[in-house]
Amino acid sequence: QSVLTQPPSVSGAPGQRVTISCTGSSSNIGAGYDVHWYQQLPGTAPKLLIYGNSNRPSGVPDRFSGSKSGTSASLAITGLQAEDEADYYCQSYDSSLSLYVFGTGTKVTVL
Amino acid sequence: EVQLVQSGAEVKKPGESLKISCKGSGYSFTSYWIGWVRQMPGKGLEWMGIIYPGDSDTRYSPSFQGQVTISADKSISTAYLQWSSLKASDTAMYYCVRQPPMQQLVRRWFDPWGQGTLVTVSS
Repeated sequence: QSVLTQPPSVSGAPGQRVTISCTGSSSNIGAGYDVHWYQQLPGTAPKLLIYGNSNRPSGVPDRFSGSKSGTSASLAITGLQAEDEADYYCQSYDSSLSLYVFGTGTKVTVL
Repeated sequence: EVQLVQSGAEVKKPGESLKISCKGSGYSFTSYWIGWVRQMPGKGLEWMGIIYPGDSDTRYSPSFQGQVTISADKSISTAYLQWSSLKASDTAMYYCVRQPPMQQLVRRWFDPWGQGTLVTVSS
């Protein structure tokens, strides 16, 4: 059911910048639907990280930023910290499936 | 503080029925869509469906239509997810989620999330 593709894993040293891509198609991201991002720390429920492509909820550090272009979106983490080790998921809406869709998920490892 | 508190873990046998719950607090329960997301062991997130407690309007993912029933009791600010006949493949963590009060359904995200209810189905 995952129609949004993410890299399985990305890694970086503390302080570095990493990016996570979320690739969709003309029936979801490419159709102009917003992309949202969630962080799932080990053993916990997902938490909203970015909404409406690039907006941070109150309390989310500005080290996290989102962008969208064409049929893809990206999440960037600058100044990587050990506490950022988690799984990250993108989410959008798909008009051909008539449902909300999540990305395949990306595990971020801090070296 | 807006909170979604889910019922506890369940262990069931194949063929049994089950209803899990999600109680909302800190906001007007009847004014926000509330839904369910499945996460199978070691896997990603799948949207199952949503309900508007104000009028019980319910939408299902085609993958889950007919497999589960989503309902809500606005008198006690609680949403439910139920199965009439569980299968081993229903073993998963289930999260309840709230959507923002936007008119455009296609633009919505999920926030907050409940703590999750682990459902284990095994003979």
